[in-house]
Amino acid sequence: KQEVTQIPAALSVPEGENLVLNCSFTDSAIYNLQWFRQDPGKGLTSLLLIQSSQREQTSGRLNASLDKSSGRSTLYIAASQPGDSATYLCAALTGTSGSRLTFGEGTQLTVNP
Amino acid sequence: GAVVSQHPSRVICKSGTSVKIECRSLDFQATTMFWYRQFPKKSLMLMATSNEGSKATYEQGVEKDKFLINHASLTLSTLTVTSAHPEDSSFYICSTNPGGYDKNIQYFGAGTRLSVL
Repeated sequence: KQEVTQIPAALSVPEGENLVLNCSFTDSAIYNLQWFRQDPGKGLTSLLLIQSSQREQTSGRLNASLDKSSGRSTLYIAASQPGDSATYLCAALTGTSGSRLTFGEGTQLTVNP
Repeated sequence: GAVVSQHPSRVICKSGTSVKIECRSLDFQATTMFWYRQFPKKSLMLMATSNEGSKATYEQGVEKDKFLINHASLTLSTLTVTSAHPEDSSFYICSTNPGGYDKNIQYFGAGTRLSVL
């Protein structure tokens, strides 16, 4: 059974700081790993998706890496802004037909002005 | 634009009533849809997999009679919380994928926040 863990559970940083969010998974047989953002009381916004054959993906100030062999992924946020404050979730896609998404519990990020 | 539409976005109901949540795929046919539940400050937990034209597959610990799932068409799955109680208050969210080449990409609805008084 896939288990996904995110560290830290909460993070508070001053504006402008670069930061790294960590995600680990127990079953390396994943189809992809996805990072989401969730604002309070809202749904999920997909940030980055890394296919199992890829090592990283970049979008603007965000960079996500994937190391399947060690069961780890990181989300790097450069030059953080107050608008980045949200909960960040990672999810690993596994299953016989690539249909089971297992989520971590998220990292609650607060960027202080 | 959104490819998955979920309604309603928020429901407040009295204890004992039933609540239906709809999840529609807008741009593609979805033979499979997934229903998740999220408790406050917790992650999303898969409740069940909805299969068009057949019975849903429920995760361990999820009451089938409490959470009724119907997937009668290729674009619509519904989750009905029957005889809702305050402990059913939660955030419910659906997802699906286009299948084929994009079968590993999940699209999510905006979620439904259920509050049972």
